[in-house]
Amino acid sequence: GQNIDQPTEMTATEGAIVQINCTYQTSGFNGLFWYQQHAGEAPTFLSYNVLDGLEEKGRFSSFLSRSKGYSYLLLKELQMKDSASYLCAAPFGSGYNKLIFGAGTRLAVHP
Amino acid sequence: EAGVAQSPRYKIIEKRQSVAFWCNPISGHATLYWYQQILGQGPKLLIQFQNNGVVDDSQLPKDRFSAERLKGVDSTLKIQPAKLEDSAVYLCASSLGLAGVPYEQYFGPGTRLTVT
Repeated sequence: GQNIDQPTEMTATEGAIVQINCTYQTSGFNGLFWYQQHAGEAPTFLSYNVLDGLEEKGRFSSFLSRSKGYSYLLLKELQMKDSASYLCAAPFGSGYNKLIFGAGTRLAVHP
Repeated sequence: EAGVAQSPRYKIIEKRQSVAFWCNPISGHATLYWYQQILGQGPKLLIQFQNNGVVDDSQLPKDRFSAERLKGVDSTLKIQPAKLEDSAVYLCASSLGLAGVPYEQYFGPGTRLTVT
């Protein structure tokens, strides 16, 4: 079956660095997505990892370890606008074009 | 490029009433998804269309929910009759969706449904 776990809430200070972890169990594996969702808005794509290692994209980086079933999203130089939920999602099913989402991690950035 | 459009944005109905949501995906996207997102949870897939055919509706409560995608473009999701536990945000998403390759899904703004 499929299972995705991530912490429910995190808090951090403006300008700091925060790491949001995600552990997953999937039957078959074809990468891991991270989405950002501001309150009352739609999820928006942040990153997709299919190979082990760190992928950097500006202030956001995403890491994947397939052997450990583990990923994290690293947010640097935090800004108030980064306060949002961060959703980890794994493709599944024939064709791998369905996503199962974790419950999301609500990040609050304080001045 | 225009994004995924959804309407209405908000809807309040009484239990046992019916409601319909509309979605217009990004032009050229073959795959369309409807998700239900209950407060504090991640989106849960209800149904997936590839063009105008249903690929997966295993999590759609078919006794009360129905969906269609006529002509392989717009889609409607209907609930009849609604229950209190249907209160949620209903998200529509679309992707290029070629089989075997996970594609980024683009989400619409959602419809927030409140059942009283």
